Amino acid sequence: GAGVSQSPSNKVTEKGKDVELRCDPISGHTALYWYRQRLGQGLEFLIYFQGNSAPDKSGLPSDRFSAERTGESVSTLTIQRTQQEDSAVYLCASSSAARVNTGELFFGEGSRLTVL
Amino acid sequence: KQEVTQIPAALSVPEGENLVLNCSFTDSAIYNLQWFRQDPGKGLTSLLLIQSSQREQTSGRLNASLDKSSGRSTLYIAASQPGDSATYLCAVGGDEKLTFGTGTRLTIIP
Repeated sequence: GAGVSQSPSNKVTEKGKDVELRCDPISGHTALYWYRQRLGQGLEFLIYFQGNSAPDKSGLPSDRFSAERTGESVSTLTIQRTQQEDSAVYLCASSSAARVNTGELFFGEGSRLTVL
Repeated sequence: KQEVTQIPAALSVPEGENLVLNCSFTDSAIYNLQWFRQDPGKGLTSLLLIQSSQREQTSGRLNASLDKSSGRSTLYIAASQPGDSATYLCAVGGDEKLTFGTGTRLTIIP
């Protein structure tokens, strides 16, 4: 596609349920990132993929969070046993550079998660 | 640990005025700095990317400067328009991830 695509755009779930958020990066982009943005706060780094390997998982807030990527395409962020503090917009970004340090980042429109 | 600060958190200016948004960072060992715009309920749009070896970048009415040694960047917007109303975020590139500031919410008053 022309841009980074995320689904669902909105998700409301009950506390304790599992959720999956999907990201389709720009075709050909090897680097893929997940960020979280809580209401009124800045972006919080979660995880970075280079191809299908994740050299940096340091931002995942707990073992309830996991992410995987198939080749250099789709990535899925899974949150198990959701808690109310997980409510946020989850943003995905991709880059054509081997390292984000040298290239621009292109963001999707995000998946807004609300945990009741 | 890199910390990025943007002050003020919110800014309102009349249409037509020129304005400057500020970004400061604590660790000068950066690879690049990007300015993004975020509209309500939307993702981020990259505006300007400055590599660490550069001092400024320009795109249309936007000009971004970078002073690595002092840990500062500015985004200058000329002849502001109501369509410029959005949240502006700066992000510092280092160690394969961007560290974001909390943004400045800009409102242009018609």
